[in-house]
Amino acid sequence: ETGVTQTPRHLVMGMTNKKSLKCEQHLGHNAMYWYKQSAKKPLELMFVYSLEERVENNSVPSRFSPECPNSSHLFLHLHTLQPEDSALYLCASSPGPGYNSPLHFGNGTRLTVT
Amino acid sequence: RKEVEQDPGPFNVPEGATVAFNCTYSNSASQSFFWYRQDCRKEPKLLMSVYSSGNEDGRFTAQLNRASQYISLLIRDSKLSDSATYLCVVTYRNTGNQFYFGTGTSLTVIP
Repeated sequence: ETGVTQTPRHLVMGMTNKKSLKCEQHLGHNAMYWYKQSAKKPLELMFVYSLEERVENNSVPSRFSPECPNSSHLFLHLHTLQPEDSALYLCASSPGPGYNSPLHFGNGTRLTVT
Repeated sequence: RKEVEQDPGPFNVPEGATVAFNCTYSNSASQSFFWYRQDCRKEPKLLMSVYSSGNEDGRFTAQLNRASQYISLLIRDSKLSDSATYLCVVTYRNTGNQFYFGTGTSLTVIP
């Protein structure tokens, strides 16, 4: 399924690096999400964008900076990360509020901070 | 109090067995319900939506009990390939775009 595409699939970065995760959805959805999943832990919602406006910021540290230039693209800019930020980062999209439709996830980016 | 709660398991069942998972939710303003499946180190994938009257998809049956605020997933004739973590997801009318995930229930089907 290529509805939601994330790049890169794997990323290793040092604590002083700056990198960006990219997500693109081809489903015509209005809402996009970033989730974090650490090893053996449940999904944690990080950010939600609806029609390119950030509607949720779940107390995420400022070293994570989202950007949503249009309804099809979502970025997560990373800088001065910590080793505990190593996790699977998942992008997802949905039609938006008022629709009884599920989330569609991308394949995820497995991030390792050294 | 968690919005969505699941028994984390693990559930270890033999091939061919029937297994059921329950999930409880805390907010009566619930709107939509879903079961997702997540394989190790992969993204969650939609298994099935849950409808008010209950619904079936092959060996999988989902039920909703609004009065008791829980949903269930029944898997009949378990296959080895059913081994995964099953996530319960709920949305609420008063929280816009939010999807609330349970912690997941781990299932291992044993030969």
